[in-house]
Amino acid sequence: AQKITQTQPGMFVQEKEAVTLDCTYDTSDPSYGLFWYKQPSSGEMIFLIYQGSYDQQNATEGRYSLNFQKARKSANLVISASQLGDSAMYFCAMRAAYSSASKIIFGSGTRLSIRP
Amino acid sequence: DTGVSQDPRHKITKRGQNVTFRCDPISEHNRLYWYRQTLGQGPEFLTYFQNEAQLEKSRLLSDRFSAERPKGSFSTLEIQRTEQGDSAMYLCASSSTVGADQPQHFGDGTRLSIL
Repeated sequence: AQKITQTQPGMFVQEKEAVTLDCTYDTSDPSYGLFWYKQPSSGEMIFLIYQGSYDQQNATEGRYSLNFQKARKSANLVISASQLGDSAMYFCAMRAAYSSASKIIFGSGTRLSIRP
Repeated sequence: DTGVSQDPRHKITKRGQNVTFRCDPISEHNRLYWYRQTLGQGPEFLTYFQNEAQLEKSRLLSDRFSAERPKGSFSTLEIQRTEQGDSAMYLCASSSTVGADQPQHFGDGTRLSIL
């Protein structure tokens, strides 16, 4: 069965510092996709970044980068130069890319708080 | 902006009543998903459609829940005889099947409160 584990329920970071949010996953599927979503207090889920299991390079999207270590089954999100607006819940998620089951499995999330 | 739209944003109802939520996906997306999110947890998959066909349902989707997407565009999620445990945020998402693994784009959700 697929599973996403986020071991940091909450983190506090000083503004302008970089932050790493941890994510480990478990799957027996040979091909899969990993996602990170941001959920501010207003509730909407905002897609941040995607990493395919066969992608050779780590994904980057502006201040977001995904530190993908396939052998360790980890997909940590790195946010550089954090801003006050980065305060939110962050969810790591996974989908089996070639499965007929198109659902995404989410982790329990990490609440990130940026201190001014 | 033509993102995923959900209506209503909030719904408060008495236990035992029926409720229906609507989701309008991004227009060119043929996949539509429903998730449920309780406080402090990540979203949990309920069901998904490809065009008008409902292809998968979670065991979380009891007999009191039904979802439709009659013309492959908007979708409705109905909960009959609501119970206290149905209180949650109901999220709709859509995605395209074109190209590499596509992200699901979420709406703002419908927050359901059962009195």
